[in-house]
Amino acid sequence: EVQLVESGGGSVQPGGYLRLSCAVSGFTFNIYEMNWVRQAPGKGLEWLSYINGGGTTMYYADSVKGRFTISRDNAKKSLYLQMNSLRVEDTAVYYCARQTTNPLDHWGQGTLVTVSP
Amino acid sequence: QPVLTQPPSASASLGASVTLTCTLSSDYSNYKVDWYQQRPGKGPRFVMRVGTGGIVGSKGDGIPDRFSVLGSGLNRYLTIKNIQEEDEGDYHCGADHGTGNNFVWVFGGGTRLTVL
Repeated sequence: EVQLVESGGGSVQPGGYLRLSCAVSGFTFNIYEMNWVRQAPGKGLEWLSYINGGGTTMYYADSVKGRFTISRDNAKKSLYLQMNSLRVEDTAVYYCARQTTNPLDHWGQGTLVTVSP
Repeated sequence: QPVLTQPPSASASLGASVTLTCTLSSDYSNYKVDWYQQRPGKGPRFVMRVGTGGIVGSKGDGIPDRFSVLGSGLNRYLTIKNIQEEDEGDYHCGADHGTGNNFVWVFGGGTRLTVL
């Protein structure tokens, strides 16, 4: 069974940082592209970042470029999102999602990040 | 990059049918769109991908036959027949867009489906 489990969320002040993790199981992690997507309270989905299977190609949404960094450790079957210079508007539930021949076919349950003074 | 537009809400009675719409911005009429279901308090779940020729690839894990898709012009439709209580939730459409050395996923604002 494919499983993705996010962790690392919490409360932080503006300007602070957090590192999210996504632990996966049930599939060969290193051949899949991965993404981070977030959802602010009561809002729709917002894509944040993409990484290829080898960890050599990354893309970012303009809203987080220069502040967030995506990475992966294929040996540990884990995906990460380093989030620096956090803003109030970064408050959201953060999801990791597996990408296969385009669709985001499996998602985690999410981890909540709250940024407030 | 494309913009995806969805009505904010829809409703249908138990056992009835409903069609949800996702509209692509002009110039993107050949794009495929993915539908995602999000039940209250849960992460999104892939339903299926749709292009102008209908479904592309396979449905997501456990998606019942009651769910079907169609594509026409700029519109991508998700139809749910014989609606059940478990179908209530938010439905998002999304599309990937890659150009040169850039890549993004874009999503519509989501449609909240209420089962009456």
